Amino acid sequence: NAGVTQTPKFQVLKTGQSMTLQCAQDMNHEYMSWYRQDPGMGLRLIHYSVGAGITDQGEVPNGYNVSRSTTEDFPLRLLSAAPSQTSVYFCASSSRVPGQGRQPQHFGDGTRLSIL
Amino acid sequence: ILNVEQSPQSLHVQEGDSTNFTCSFPSSNFYALHWYRWETAKSPEALFVMTLNGDEKKKGRISATLNTKEGYSYLYIKGSQPEDSATYLCAPGGDSWGKLQFGAGTQVVVTP
Repeated sequence: NAGVTQTPKFQVLKTGQSMTLQCAQDMNHEYMSWYRQDPGMGLRLIHYSVGAGITDQGEVPNGYNVSRSTTEDFPLRLLSAAPSQTSVYFCASSSRVPGQGRQPQHFGDGTRLSIL
Repeated sequence: ILNVEQSPQSLHVQEGDSTNFTCSFPSSNFYALHWYRWETAKSPEALFVMTLNGDEKKKGRISATLNTKEGYSYLYIKGSQPEDSATYLCAPGGDSWGKLQFGAGTQVVVTP
């Protein structure tokens, strides 16, 4: 059982380049999220999805796009990389139990991204 | 965006001692509170999901309580061990599909 898989683990980009961070889960979870982690700021939500075809913005969405064409995959796209997007990115997924709400999130191992 | 505060930011504990720390959040529009444990160089792992006022959850030597009316949760570590060293994150959410707002965390260092 792979859980949540993020690729790549490390990436260095030049300012202005675009790239896609991949996230896949094999637990049939409805809910998927992307966070960034910066020193002293904890985890900040970028975008999230409550099911295939449904996405919404989080706390810091600017400069990022997402789509959710399948339950399993939730890629995060950087349109034009900026140094301010240097961070560690985590993808997470969770299920929802009727009457109990959202279940604990399962996190991927993270992608460390540097923008030069 | 919810105002989530965790205190203290960090604490040092001697092995064998017990400790506790706080997560404060707005009491209005509360649905659930998540606690996560985050070890260095790893990804966060879920400890508890708490929904009801007065909830108490326990996992081994770690336990948590919840007061939704006043907007706080305590996490307790009994008889701290070096393997308890981690950052502990809380995250309240406003509805069953709501976004979780993470606090900045409390970093716990347990020394032998």
